Amino acid sequence: ETGVTQTPRHLVMGMTNKKSLKCEQHLGHNAMYWYKQSAKKPLELMFVYNFKEQTENNSVPSRFSPECPNSSHLFLHLHTLQPEDSALYLCASSPTTTGGEQYFGPGTRLTVT
Amino acid sequence: AQSVAQPEDQVNVAEGNPLTVKCTYSVSGNPYLFWYVQYPNRGLQFLLKYITGDNLVKGSYGFEAEFNKSQTSFHLKKPSALVSDSALYFCATSNAGGTSYGKLTFGQGTILTVHP
Repeated sequence: ETGVTQTPRHLVMGMTNKKSLKCEQHLGHNAMYWYKQSAKKPLELMFVYNFKEQTENNSVPSRFSPECPNSSHLFLHLHTLQPEDSALYLCASSPTTTGGEQYFGPGTRLTVT
Repeated sequence: AQSVAQPEDQVNVAEGNPLTVKCTYSVSGNPYLFWYVQYPNRGLQFLLKYITGDNLVKGSYGFEAEFNKSQTSFHLKKPSALVSDSALYFCATSNAGGTSYGKLTFGQGTILTVHP
């Protein structure tokens, strides 16, 4: 898991707060992803970045705002979240978006109160 | 659209016995298939993949999986289970071509419990 790191590991925020999740990959990959993992549901792909460009937004509400300043870093900016947004947010990376395996970080456990 | 089904929410086996975690897929075109494992409070760890070639794929920690095109299945297997194999297992697929090229679609996961 040292290949992809995520901070913070745990976050509790109120519905009016603004916070950011950070992901960093040390694998030299060019593609990065955000996933949401909720209890009893399959992993949901949120965003895909390839060479810093967003290539997929899977109908994610605008209260989630991604940012990819370079191929090694990915952020997820959060504002005015809802309690149903509480979940484990996973970052992943892969060499490219051409169908190979992805490598995941440990996740950020988010609780919205 | 591509999809993955893991028909068993839970699988229980005794230590030392063989284990199988089932997965079926649906994609248009040739599939790429993956297995991941997730331990509590951890991210997903890549176990193995099928891209092309031999239908039997060997991966990490003694796991293997068999690609069966006629049955559209990619079951995960291990000849002798360990208690430490207890975890949540995900099957995933991506399309080798088409509009969802490279996009991973995951199954809902199967909890594997290995009893001492």
